[in-house]
Amino acid sequence: QSALTQPASVSGSPGQSITISCTGTSSDVGGYNYVSWYQQHPGKAPKLMIYEVSNRPSGVSNRFSGSKSGNTAFLTISGLQAEDEADYYCSSYATSTFFGGGTKLTVL
Amino acid sequence: QVQLQESGPGLVKPSETLSLTCTVSGGSISSYYWSWIRQPPGKGLEWMGYISYSGGTYHNPSLKSRVTISLDTSKNQFSLELSSVTAADTAVYYCARAMAYSPWDYWGQGTLVTVSS
Repeated sequence: QSALTQPASVSGSPGQSITISCTGTSSDVGGYNYVSWYQQHPGKAPKLMIYEVSNRPSGVSNRFSGSKSGNTAFLTISGLQAEDEADYYCSSYATSTFFGGGTKLTVL
Repeated sequence: QVQLQESGPGLVKPSETLSLTCTVSGGSISSYYWSWIRQPPGKGLEWMGYISYSGGTYHNPSLKSRVTISLDTSKNQFSLELSSVTAADTAVYYCARAMAYSPWDYWGQGTLVTVSS
């Protein structure tokens, strides 16, 4: 089973936009639109932020958006806020479930 | 509102079997898929396996058949057994729910299991 590849860390200032990448293969990210993103604050369970590449569950801010190109998916957070500081995980859930290694977002 | 709650021993000895239960409230355990996902301290998420509402199971091949997941519809619960544990199995264990071809959308709060003698 292969994990998806994410950068270990990204940072941005309040109000700015950041993008986190998630690279897989044609067997997972590239082959299906079953990509999701989770936000995890310390000591808390992951929270679903994006599903099916670009859909937001009810209640998730429209500052969060998702996209995909080839074997790489992207999570973009616009208008960064202090509360966005957290770990973010991508996941492919087509034939099985794979998680990325996680990206720590620091809001400067 | 669906809620999931993990329960079980917080300390397990090496070579023994780790057993956890997830109790589902606010909804039926039928018509969904139920999973166990773990997270070692300071590390990322690892999907362990799932059981469907009909009892079919699939587990992460990397766990080499140490995983058993079962369903008790009468109690609205599902369970995890992980055999022959080592210190590497120390983690926060989460239970989660999904529909077919959908992400794991509802999660329990997680329970820390430490493997130590």
